[in-house]
Amino acid sequence: GAVVSQHPSRVICKSGTSVKIECRSLDFQATTMFWYRQFPKQSLMLMATSNEGSKATYEQGVEKDKFLINHASLTLSTLTVTSAHPEDSSFYICSARVGDMNTEAFFGQGTRLTVV
Amino acid sequence: GESVGLHLPTLSVQEGDNSIINCAYSNSASDYFIWYKQESGKGPQFIIDIRSNMDKRQGQRVTVLLNKTVKHLSLQIAATQPGDSAVYFCAETRQAGTALIFGKGTTLSVSS
Repeated sequence: GAVVSQHPSRVICKSGTSVKIECRSLDFQATTMFWYRQFPKQSLMLMATSNEGSKATYEQGVEKDKFLINHASLTLSTLTVTSAHPEDSSFYICSARVGDMNTEAFFGQGTRLTVV
Repeated sequence: GESVGLHLPTLSVQEGDNSIINCAYSNSASDYFIWYKQESGKGPQFIIDIRSNMDKRQGQRVTVLLNKTVKHLSLQIAATQPGDSAVYFCAETRQAGTALIFGKGTTLSVSS
């Protein structure tokens, strides 16, 4: 299957700083990527849809100025958590679906963000 | 809002038993369903999928059943092994290129 690579896998940052998470599709082009957030013992919650060459679409309740998404190429989307606070600590996961077919989504390995 | 739900949060089985994990969905427009397995600290891993024009699909040791009448999805794992211990999520979508919506998940615990 297609491979989605996410980096870093773990990051610890101080409150008030910003953290960038990268999501790459390694063997396919992804015009659309998706960012999820997962708290312990909970499901994946969709944060936003990242669109190559255009603005991301955010889900209700997700602050677009806090979670900056950039999708500058067909293989890379980035999520920047700005002015991070302890409540932003979570597991962030990106995914992509291949082409225009209604098929499975491929997921990155996830990024464990801890804000201290 | 519409979402994919869950019947049981945890399931404990003995090695060798068959496991059944259930999921309810509320959006009748959903036409594609997927089961994912997630191990601790990792991203979801594809198990099996099914489209709305089918009611059963089999894979290796896994079977997915879809009952559109009651909007119910189930995952059956045959001869469950300790390596099957993980959280299992069902997900649904309505069209190509859109995000998957996930259910709450079931933790499967397999004891030897």
